[in-house]
Amino acid sequence: EAQVTQNPRYLITVTGKKLTVTCSQNMNHEYMSWYRQDPGLGLRQIYYSMNVEVTDKGDVPEGYKVSRKEKRNFPLILESPSPNQTSLYFCASKGISGIDPSSYNEQFFGPGTRLTVL
Amino acid sequence: GDSVTQMEGPVTLSEEAFLTINCTYTATGYPSLFWYVQYPGEGLQLLLKATKADDKGSNKGFEATYRKETTSFHLEKGSVQVSDSAVYFCALSPNYGGSQGNLIFGKGTKLSVKP
Repeated sequence: EAQVTQNPRYLITVTGKKLTVTCSQNMNHEYMSWYRQDPGLGLRQIYYSMNVEVTDKGDVPEGYKVSRKEKRNFPLILESPSPNQTSLYFCASKGISGIDPSSYNEQFFGPGTRLTVL
Repeated sequence: GDSVTQMEGPVTLSEEAFLTINCTYTATGYPSLFWYVQYPGEGLQLLLKATKADDKGSNKGFEATYRKETTSFHLEKGSVQVSDSAVYFCALSPNYGGSQGNLIFGKGTKLSVKP
């Protein structure tokens, strides 16, 4: 089954304790992205990656790091989490190459990770 | 920069009522437009899309037409069901340069359908 998986699904942690949220996709997609969802703000992009070893900042990158060493994985790293990073996080992926241009820009989302930083 | 504005909720309707959720956009060029749906406790799912002007996306009884002249992509359904209760997000994807992959979302509209 084609899917995007995230782990963990729920995490409660304390300020300053480094954490990593993993994201993996099995669709051989080039593009992967991280979003955070907050009430009244919708989804905002944190980082994205167009391919292996290529990453770029989104709209709200402060306090986050990412890496793209393999095509299927795109972990989100919080080196020193703070309470304002309490949020619902989504990973997404999509293919950016292909024959049919009308199908190439659909993003597939993971189930979400609910993070609470105390 | 590119942006999406959608009507604020929450929207509460009775079963079988007509639904409209307004969405307008600001973008350079000709973006692709999407509606995503998020059911309680779940991730986002693509509901429908349109990739060029005058295209109509449709799925599960929902429809939206890409109107370039009014820069709009309003979501409609003729008869909503309780199972349609969810948060709906309008989004655009630029079709130029390095931004081709990115999605820009509206803030979401929560729909509650009462029996």
